[in-house]
Amino acid sequence: GAVVSQHPSRVICKSGTSVKIECRSLDFQATTMFWYRQFPKQSLMLMATSNEGSKATYEQGVEKDKFLINHASLTLSTLTVTSAHPEDSSFYICSASRGRELWSNQPQHFGDGTRLSIL
Amino acid sequence: AQKITQTQPGMFVQEKEAVTLDCTYDTSDQSYGLFWYKQPSSGEMIFLIYQGSYDEQNATEGRYSLNFQKARKSANLVISASQLGDSAMYFCVSSSGGSEKLVFGKGTKLTVNP
Repeated sequence: GAVVSQHPSRVICKSGTSVKIECRSLDFQATTMFWYRQFPKQSLMLMATSNEGSKATYEQGVEKDKFLINHASLTLSTLTVTSAHPEDSSFYICSASRGRELWSNQPQHFGDGTRLSIL
Repeated sequence: AQKITQTQPGMFVQEKEAVTLDCTYDTSDQSYGLFWYKQPSSGEMIFLIYQGSYDEQNATEGRYSLNFQKARKSANLVISASQLGDSAMYFCVSSSGGSEKLVFGKGTKLTVNP
C-alpha cells in the first residue's frame, strides 16, 4: 500500500530553536498534503492544507509565521516550527492524499508522526 | 459544517468478544465519506474501513464492519472477535462535498481485556 514517511519521529530541543519536519510520499504523487497537531488524549486538529507549488491554507487560529509549510514537490512537504517554545510541544502528523477517486482505498495516508518536545 | 460525535470516551471488551463503537455525523451534503482510523499508543494512524454515502451495503474489512444507518446519520464500527492488539484509540472521520479535508471525532479509547 501507499507509504508516507515522516521524519524525524522524535525531536527534543531547546526553546528558541527552529525545527523542520519532513513528510514524503514514497510511492505516489500526492495532490494534497495535510498537517495535523494532536495534544495528549485528544483528537487530530488540522493545521493546514498544502498543494505543490502554492501557498498553504491555514486553519483559523494557526499562526502561519510560526508554522511554515513548504510543499516543494508532489512528494515532499515540510513543516518548520519557528522559534519553538514549550507550548509548541505536541505530536505532529502529516498526511497525503492521492485524490478523491481513490478514497475507497484510503482517503489520506498518514505519516507515523513526530513527537516534538521543547525544553 | 460537518460534525462527528463519538459519545464513548472509553470502552472495555473481553478478548474474543465483539464490540461496537458509536459514531454519529452531521452533514447537509448528499455526497460524503465515512471512515474509521485506529491509533495505537505508538501514534500511527491506521486506516480501517470506508463507507460512501451512496453505498447501499455496509462496508466490511475482515473483523471490522461499519453499521451504516443513513437515516439516523450513524456509522458505528463493529469489531468482531476482539484481540489484545485492538486496544487503541479509534477515530470516526468524515469528509463531504468537494473537500479533501477530513473531520475527526474526539475518539474512543478501546481496551481489550484478557
